[in-house]
Amino acid sequence: GAVVSQHPSRVICKSGTSVKIECRSLDFQATTMFWYRQFPKQSLMLMATSNEGSKATYEQGVEKDKFLINHASLTLSTLTVTSAHPEDSSFYICSAQMGAYEQYFGPGTRLTVT
Amino acid sequence: AQRVTQPEKLLSVFKGAPVELKCNYSYSGSPELFWYVQYSRQRLQLLLRHISRESIKGFTADLNKGETSFHLKKPFAQEEDSAMYYCALSGPLKCSGGGADGLTFGKGTHLIIQP
Repeated sequence: GAVVSQHPSRVICKSGTSVKIECRSLDFQATTMFWYRQFPKQSLMLMATSNEGSKATYEQGVEKDKFLINHASLTLSTLTVTSAHPEDSSFYICSAQMGAYEQYFGPGTRLTVT
Repeated sequence: AQRVTQPEKLLSVFKGAPVELKCNYSYSGSPELFWYVQYSRQRLQLLLRHISRESIKGFTADLNKGETSFHLKKPFAQEEDSAMYYCALSGPLKCSGGGADGLTFGKGTHLIIQP
């Protein structure tokens, strides 16, 4: 149990285009999901907290107009990278909160912007 | 600001030897500390959390508030322990339904167990 999936696992897009990444909790409901980003050889960085039915809370330095988060249901949160640029190339990971504090992570999405 | 430091990028030990992965943190308050593990080609998963004071796969970690440390230990390393280990910190636990904090991760330590 407690499986989180992400789609796509890998995407290559051209500079200026937008890309949507889905995060799904497959066998449980998650009122809170998190989005993380990991640049090469660096640690995971929290980007935003996504709560079902409300606006996401962004960490300092993360542009909310660039990284659009929608948490439309208790099992789905999406991250849209708008007008992507090469510097947005990164590994994006979501996690879904179960219970009081346990987080289950998705497998991640490798975004490459050319 | 909260911060997690894992001073060792790479740690290599022989099978059967003791293992200690270091983690120090900076947080103004009472944090919750976790260790996450990522085996090769697998997703990140929770290994253990300090509040449960449990031992998972032979690993233990004690929160030392005086030294602001949460080192991960195992007395006898096994080859299947080879993986990336991340120490993570979150704000204090809240009651169920009271919301949750995202995690702040250290940079990770690559543990290699040699046969």
